[in-house]
Amino acid sequence: QSVLTQPPSVSAAPGQKVTISCSGGSSNIGSHIVSWYQQLPGTAPKLLIYETNKRPSGISDRFSGSKSGTSATLAITGLQTGDEADYYCGAWDSSLSAGGFGGGTKLTVL
Amino acid sequence: DVQLLESGGGVGQPGGSLSLSCAASGFTFSTYAMIWVRQAPGKGLEWISGISGSGGSTYYAGSVKGRFTISRDNSKNTLYLQMNSLRDEDTAVYYCAKGNGVNHYNWFDPWGQGTLVTVSS
Repeated sequence: QSVLTQPPSVSAAPGQKVTISCSGGSSNIGSHIVSWYQQLPGTAPKLLIYETNKRPSGISDRFSGSKSGTSATLAITGLQTGDEADYYCGAWDSSLSAGGFGGGTKLTVL
Repeated sequence: DVQLLESGGGVGQPGGSLSLSCAASGFTFSTYAMIWVRQAPGKGLEWISGISGSGGSTYYAGSVKGRFTISRDNSKNTLYLQMNSLRDEDTAVYYCAKGNGVNHYNWFDPWGQGTLVTVSS
């Protein structure tokens, strides 16, 4: 059972926009920073968004993050076939004194 | 370039032990927290353990607490994970990753390439 809850899959056509939700509680998303990771098939995860809405150098501005209360959202605009991957949200959990990730969302670009 | 390179994966028997290492380069190792994350075949990411830059603070997921021990040798720029009392469900790819501060676990970048641990008799 993951600490954070994500939809198992999302899909959209090339060029379209998709959003991936990440739901938590007051001990994690509600009081801590959210990060997002992209995992392309067969590779290690890569940091996509940090401090809820900031992008590391080299990450396209097509990726953006937001947070409201105990939920966070990753948005991807101008979808490309190369965006097909698994996406994970992450946050520290005060009640567990440990970090946690969402179960992951598989993005399919139709 | 900041790099992390895991080693030590392999086959371990149920009830047995394995030790993983993560060699770091390209940054001041002692000033960053480090974590271990695992991914079972076909499953998602599981945060299993973290350690502060000094090694003085450690954190564990409930699934490994009491069985796994995280440690670091800052003189060798190396992170370790000692895994005891192995169970079938410990079978996974194990990744190490760098935190965002001396005792901060808000985001992780970069990640190592991963090392596969298989628990099987």
